Amino acid sequence: GENVEQHPSTLSVQEGDSAVIKCTYSDSASNYFPWYKQELGKGPQLIIDIRSNVGEKKDQRIAVTLNKTAKHFSLHITETQPEDSAVYFCAASTPGGYQKVTFGTGTKLQVIP
Amino acid sequence: NAGVMQNPRHLVRRRGQEARLRCSPMKGHSHVYWYRQLPEEGLKFMVYLQKENIIDESGMPKERFSAEFPKEGPSILRIQQVVRGDSAAYFCASSTDRGKSGNTIYFGEGSWLTVV
Repeated sequence: GENVEQHPSTLSVQEGDSAVIKCTYSDSASNYFPWYKQELGKGPQLIIDIRSNVGEKKDQRIAVTLNKTAKHFSLHITETQPEDSAVYFCAASTPGGYQKVTFGTGTKLQVIP
Repeated sequence: NAGVMQNPRHLVRRRGQEARLRCSPMKGHSHVYWYRQLPEEGLKFMVYLQKENIIDESGMPKERFSAEFPKEGPSILRIQQVVRGDSAAYFCASSTDRGKSGNTIYFGEGSWLTVV
């Protein structure tokens, strides 16, 4: 089955700096890669996603890149703000009889004011 | 996220009791997923259901855990004879369309189970 590795497990940045979270996946058939943000005591919220026919996608301060050859994808947050502090999960989805989504282990991001 | 409704949000059970967690998917969604999250850990897949069918329960413990998604009503995750190790957050998620990879999974706010 699919295996998703995520690094780093924790990340501290100064407010205004950029944050980068990296993930690798094992199944070359995976073709959909969502990113979720989870705040304390809440459920994961989708913040951005990318499909395998696209190399990069941006939404305001958030961008995601995908390298299918290397089987890795990254989340980039620019101009970080304290409210960006949360746990971020990457995920990979494998096509087939049904959509199965495998999550990374999460990155705890702390933005220091 | 707001569309997937889970209840109860918090549940306290004594060891040996039963816990029932409910999930109503987003409107128009017929696929439900349950994930478990232990403190300070990631999301572990438990089970995937469609109406009246369990499609994949490969992540579900073989004993004491069961799930259903009846034709009418919410999906239910049932844990019998709970033990302290069952204490976790249980998240329900839903999506549309079977077999179409790339359909977004939306999560509920979770049910926090504490076993005392």
